Amino acid sequence: SQTIHQWPATLVQPVGSPLSLECTVEGTSNPNLYWYRQAAGRGLQLLFYSVGIGQISSEVPQNLSASRPQDRQFILSSKKLLLSDSGFYLCAVLRQGSSYEQYFGPGTRLTVT
Amino acid sequence: SQQGEEDPQALSIQEGENATMNCSYKTSINNLQWYRQNSGRGLVHLILIRSNEREKHSGRLRVTLDTSKKSSSLLITASRAADTASYFCATDAYYGNNRLAFGKGNQVVVIP
Repeated sequence: SQTIHQWPATLVQPVGSPLSLECTVEGTSNPNLYWYRQAAGRGLQLLFYSVGIGQISSEVPQNLSASRPQDRQFILSSKKLLLSDSGFYLCAVLRQGSSYEQYFGPGTRLTVT
Repeated sequence: SQQGEEDPQALSIQEGENATMNCSYKTSINNLQWYRQNSGRGLVHLILIRSNEREKHSGRLRVTLDTSKKSSSLLITASRAADTASYFCATDAYYGNNRLAFGKGNQVVVIP
């Protein structure tokens, strides 16, 4: 079965500092991977989508970027964090054999101060 | 704006009661899904209903889909304290290509 790991679990960063969040997936190959952000008490906003190594689609123009250096690794980055980047960041993978169902990682809680 | 707009009420019910929440969407879909999120955790897939289905059951969950009204409902029967969570609907058609658009979520609190 597919398993998703995210780290760190929580992060407090000052405004203007860089960011790197990592997501790794087990139990699948060549997965579709997703980054979402969830603001407090809100729904999920799709940030990035990747169908393969080096293939990234950005859904929302913003202060963030994503990379996929390996098949099962998805990284979310920022050069300079803004207060508005605070939120709960979730990585997800498309369930193998499905065109629609997604498995989610445990998430990273980011607070920008 | 994103597809999937649940009625934004927070629902508080007693254990054993039924919980119903609704979701509406704007464009035609291939399918609609419901996910659960416990506080501070990732989302867990509950059930998927295809556009040619009107009702689907999974354990204590019942989902209906009305494509003419572009709406869906999720019913949890005989609720338990462990059902306390936020529930999100998600549709596939807004983005296309295996991407989902999620609604704002419905918070359900089941009081033991």
